[in-house]
Amino acid sequence: EDQVTQSPEALRLQEGESSSLNCSYTVSGLRGLFWYRQDPGKGPEFLFTLYSAGEEKEKERLKATLTKKESFLHITAPKPEDSATYLCAVQTINAGGTSYGKLTFGQGTILTVHP
Amino acid sequence: DADVTQTPRNRITKTGKRIMLECSQTKGHDRMYWYRQDPGLGLRLIYYSFDVKDINKGEISDGYSVSRQAQAKFSLSLESAIPNQTALYFCATSDSTRTDTQYFGPGTRLTVL
Repeated sequence: EDQVTQSPEALRLQEGESSSLNCSYTVSGLRGLFWYRQDPGKGPEFLFTLYSAGEEKEKERLKATLTKKESFLHITAPKPEDSATYLCAVQTINAGGTSYGKLTFGQGTILTVHP
Repeated sequence: DADVTQTPRNRITKTGKRIMLECSQTKGHDRMYWYRQDPGLGLRLIYYSFDVKDINKGEISDGYSVSRQAQAKFSLSLESAIPNQTALYFCATSDSTRTDTQYFGPGTRLTVL
């Protein structure tokens, strides 16, 4: 069974204080690892997809990295507008190499950035 | 206009009532999904559809049914609503011919009294 665990559950930072969120996963065959941002009462907003160990992607103050067992979302010099819940999800493939399509999500990390 | 729309956005109903949540998309994606989100439990997959004639159960399909009326429309029904179906419901779409990234709608907040 595919499992995704995110830590910490909640993170409080001061504006400008860099940190990282962790997403560890156990899957039979990884097609891709996805990061989403979710604001209260809204749908998840796609941020990144990582497909292979060693891959990195950046967007503004966010940088996502991937190893064979986990992914990190690094937040550099965060601002209050970065406050949100960050969700990690995995998409798997079957023995034939075909994507199952569906995502398995972690519980999320609630990030609060104080001015 | 939003690419993925959900109606209604909020709904309060009573135990035993039949409820339908609707999802429409203008992204031209072939795959559509329904998730529910509960505090502390994250997003869980209810049903997914890879095309109009392909419907699959997710991890928590009991008490729910779906209909894929067209490539762009995917509806979720609660035949007889119960209080523990109170949750946020999200529709998502993806394009299997490209990255298969899922894009989510704005959600429906459902309360069953």
